[in-house]
Amino acid sequence: QKEVEQNSGPLSVPEGAIASLNCTYSDRGSQSFFWYRQYSGKSPELIMFIYSNGDKEDGRFTAQLNKASQYVSLLIRDSQPSDSATYLCAPNQGGKLIFGQGTELSVKP
Amino acid sequence: GAVVSQHPSWVICKSGTSVKIECRSLDFQATTMFWYRQFPKQSLMLMATSNEGSKATYEQGVEKDKFLINHASLTLSTLTVTSAHPEDSSFYICSAPRLGPYNEQFFGPGTRLTVL
Repeated sequence: QKEVEQNSGPLSVPEGAIASLNCTYSDRGSQSFFWYRQYSGKSPELIMFIYSNGDKEDGRFTAQLNKASQYVSLLIRDSQPSDSATYLCAPNQGGKLIFGQGTELSVKP
Repeated sequence: GAVVSQHPSWVICKSGTSVKIECRSLDFQATTMFWYRQFPKQSLMLMATSNEGSKATYEQGVEKDKFLINHASLTLSTLTVTSAHPEDSSFYICSAPRLGPYNEQFFGPGTRLTVL
């Protein structure tokens, strides 16, 4: 079992729709979780992080965490073509970020 | 967000030469920095943790004699790829955590290395 698994994608949604990105992790000791966006050929950009069970909203983005299920997700509301990128989930394991393989999102105009 | 810079942004070198990549945290101090490598269509792979004032810690399978890391100050870490070969061609990215309750990690823009 991989340490961090994300829905494989590519995920295609129409402009204005909600994009749902999912991630499961194996290390129950992880306390904080980060979502990064990576455009092709660029380095990852921090979108948001979450550390408590429940939802955390930041603009069009909502992160959801369920530690009992070892599950974290990212919802993007009102998706825009500029949101088209690969989204990386990364639990923090003792200060190290362990990355999933990423989910490629394509938002069609 | 915090700013992390890398230099150079890209480099092309001949096989057998050494290449040094710098990573700087511009607006915060970082006692720890991380070095990643990313091959096309793959996720980031953590290579090593750079520690200011002490030796770097390498992930399993990463050759410490090939990838030399020096954390010279609280704002600078360098990665030197020694005797580079074509299979070392990759996208090298550093990150630095901003000390605080959540230690958010910010990434540099990356260095694309091509070894001929």
